Amino acid sequence: DAKTTQPTSMDCAEGRAANLPCNHSTISGNEYVYWYRQIHSQGPQYIIHGLKNNETNEMASLIITEDRKSSTLILPHATLRDTAVYYCIVRVEGGGADGLTFGKGTHLIIQP
Amino acid sequence: DTAVSQTPKYLVTQMGNDKSIKCEQNLGHDTMYWYKQDSKKFLKIMFSYNNKELIINETVPNRFSPKSPDKAHLNLHINSLELGDSAVYFCASSQEGAGGRSTFYEQYFGPGTRLTVT
Repeated sequence: DAKTTQPTSMDCAEGRAANLPCNHSTISGNEYVYWYRQIHSQGPQYIIHGLKNNETNEMASLIITEDRKSSTLILPHATLRDTAVYYCIVRVEGGGADGLTFGKGTHLIIQP
Repeated sequence: DTAVSQTPKYLVTQMGNDKSIKCEQNLGHDTMYWYKQDSKKFLKIMFSYNNKELIINETVPNRFSPKSPDKAHLNLHINSLELGDSAVYFCASSQEGAGGRSTFYEQYFGPGTRLTVT
């Protein structure tokens, strides 16, 4: 799986959009970009994934650059409950049964 | 209903003991996983298992062994516990499609078991 680079931490004001960047310059053509988050003392939670088109669901939007070397996760209206560590992961479709490779992630802190 | 559950939530034991952590999923998934999150918060895959194969992370000591009594359960057995085994252990599940490739992209994680070895 390709390596990803994320900022260690970020702050965002409650009610504003939180934009979390991820660099994955060595991503392969068949690798998807996945985002998970881990709220304190809980298990990781899937947020969204994409290949090359921008994606949106009820939780977030995912913007992938045209060259696919970076992406941005957008939480449109951040709440205090969005404070968590956010992980950007790249892997082949589904990935088979080989598990997820988590990096250090970005600790997003939503400020009241 | 809880999708992926683990018991116990907390486990405190002494070095040298043998312990087990149980995991159950009610999602009908056919692939289950164990992850370890150490004190520095790094989350690493230990095992993945379905009815076809067991994939073991090569860094996992053979004191750790997964046991699956049925498709909905994957328990983690740990022999001769060591101080370094202290961590939070997460179980997860997903659905794997034909040809060994997942048709679902989500892995569902349990709440974790905090293991403390003294």
